[in-house]
Amino acid sequence: KAGVTQTPRYLIKTRGQQVTLSCSPISGHRSVSWYQQTPGQGLQFLFEYFSETQRNKGNFPGRFSGRQFSNSRSEMNVSTLELGDSALYLCASSLGWTSIPNEQFFGPGTRLTVL
Amino acid sequence: GENVEQHPSTLSVQEGDSAVIKCTYSDSASNYFPWYKQELGKRPQLIIDIRSNVGEKKDQRIAVTLNKTAKHFSLHITETQPEDSAVYFCAATTNSGGGADGLTFGKGTHLIIQP
Repeated sequence: KAGVTQTPRYLIKTRGQQVTLSCSPISGHRSVSWYQQTPGQGLQFLFEYFSETQRNKGNFPGRFSGRQFSNSRSEMNVSTLELGDSALYLCASSLGWTSIPNEQFFGPGTRLTVL
Repeated sequence: GENVEQHPSTLSVQEGDSAVIKCTYSDSASNYFPWYKQELGKRPQLIIDIRSNVGEKKDQRIAVTLNKTAKHFSLHITETQPEDSAVYFCAATTNSGGGADGLTFGKGTHLIIQP
């Protein structure tokens, strides 16, 4: 099976712009979670989508949003970019539909630099 | 919300020796505890996980123990090898009725294997 893929791998934006990142989960996985990784804050949970619905959300401002499509692919959007949004954005996929916790498998990440 | 503390932040061991990384969590409802290994410039990779109904799990040179009463879990790596050098993250999450909260990560441990 192909692993989790993310596009683009690198992005450079300027303050005030917006950005959209894409994630394709492992075939058969219906849950996609997004994480922000920075040297200072580590790995932080942004939100999780399952069957096109946001099921859980972390503690990030409303500038961070996402969506999921019927094929389970997911996008996240960051509006009005700030310097502090520079980070590695990772998505992770899992089965999502069982009543026990599922393993989450990470994509390679999108490195966002805000100038 | 959940809070995960991880120690130490850096661990240097001689090749062939054992390494132990410890994590504590705050939410007694957490029921899934994965460990990830992240090499420089690469994605986090799941190396072992444990669910709350199990006290210990082993996979070759890697083992994880869980103490629910004390709310701590540990990663044990025996017979360390140079390729074990990486940053290791512990995480915790709650899964209830099919809905999975996002993973809450520790800050990471930089494991250095000295030849």
